[in-house]
Amino acid sequence: DAGVTQSPTHLIKTRGQQVTLRCSPKSGHDTVSWYQQALGQGPQFIFQYYEEEERQRGNFPDRFSGHQFPNYSSELNVNALLLGDSALYLCASEGTGTTDTQYFGPGTRLTVL
Amino acid sequence: AQSVTQLGSHVSVSEGALVLLRCNYSSSVPPYLFWYVQYPNQGLQLLLKYTSAATLVKGINGFEAEFKKSETSFHLTKPSAHMSDAAEYFCAVTDRNQGGKLIFGQGTELSVKP
Repeated sequence: DAGVTQSPTHLIKTRGQQVTLRCSPKSGHDTVSWYQQALGQGPQFIFQYYEEEERQRGNFPDRFSGHQFPNYSSELNVNALLLGDSALYLCASEGTGTTDTQYFGPGTRLTVL
Repeated sequence: AQSVTQLGSHVSVSEGALVLLRCNYSSSVPPYLFWYVQYPNQGLQLLLKYTSAATLVKGINGFEAEFKKSETSFHLTKPSAHMSDAAEYFCAVTDRNQGGKLIFGQGTELSVKP
């Protein structure tokens, strides 16, 4: 049973560019959340998708957007990249009725130069 | 608003010694509480969770945590540290009435000396 997978593993972009990160949830899970983890910090909630709609959003600007597909996989898009967007981006999935337990993927390390 | 405070950004113990990582939370409703571990350059792995059942929760790798409502604490312990326990540990809280948003503490880095 595959866990949560994310791609790519690492990514290097320059300021002003746009980036798309991808996530496939754990088998049987229908809810996907995205988190940003800056170096030396705890993860910060970006948003959560359920039934292809954004259900909840954290304190992130509109440059951060997402999408969920019918197969429950998800994308995180970041436009107009800033140096401060450099971080580990974590995807987590959970299934309905699993006591709000989120399982995390390995993350995508984004470096903005 | 919910919040989590982890006391001590860095804890160092000797192999075989007791591990105690502290977590205090703030929540206006009965919370769900979690401990995750993160090894270098990896994602987060769930150690254990409290979801309003037994107050003493046992997790993987010999870790356990006790929910104390009167102290608003959820400290993580392990009787005997192993070298492989060296990692970053995160305490998190969620309000099950407001979806699955996890609020994390700043993390505690555990070092284990031989």
